Amino acid sequence: QSVLTQPPSASGTPGQRVTISCSGSSSNIGSNTLSWYQQLPGTAPKLLMFGNNQRPSGVPDRFSGSKSGTSASLAISGLQSEDEADYYCAAWDDSLNGVVFGGGTKLTVL
Amino acid sequence: EVQLVESGGGLVQPGGSLKLSCAASGFTFSDSAIHWVRQASGKGLEWVGRIRSKADTYATTYAASVKGRFTMSRDDSKNTAYLQMNSLKTEDTAVYYCTRRDCSGGTCYFVYWGQGTLVTVSS
Repeated sequence: QSVLTQPPSASGTPGQRVTISCSGSSSNIGSNTLSWYQQLPGTAPKLLMFGNNQRPSGVPDRFSGSKSGTSASLAISGLQSEDEADYYCAAWDDSLNGVVFGGGTKLTVL
Repeated sequence: EVQLVESGGGLVQPGGSLKLSCAASGFTFSDSAIHWVRQASGKGLEWVGRIRSKADTYATTYAASVKGRFTMSRDDSKNTAYLQMNSLKTEDTAVYYCTRRDCSGGTCYFVYWGQGTLVTVSS
């Protein structure tokens, strides 16, 4: 059971817009910024979003992030087959004094 | 180019020990906090702990699941961080990643990750 809650799966067809939610509490998302990671099979995670809604250089603007209170979401517009991957949210938790991750969401492009 | 390369993984019996290394290059290692994150096969990411820089007194913090069994250290002269794992349990079986945590403007995140090293705890 992960501290941050994500749906285990999400899906969409090419060109569609999909969102992945991440729910936490006042000690993590509520008081610290969130980052998102994309993980392709057999590879290390890749930073997709930081500071709730900031994209690192090289990440397409099809990806966007938002946060409100103790919840956050990652949106992917213009879905492409290469977006098929696992997505994780993460934040520092002040109570646990450590980083907490969501359980991950497997995105399938139909 | 920033690189993090883990090594030292392998097969170990329950109750045994293993020491992982994380060799860094391409950045000022001594200024950086290094975190360890693990991932069991088919499962999600789990934060293991961190070791901060000399400026932050090499402070360490561990996840509850490994506290008292795992110890993080570093040798800045060798640009290498270590994860000493003792009293290993079958549930410690996972790919272990080292990663550098960057902080800017009040926000922190993991940009650079190693390729991971597999630890298998089994009899």
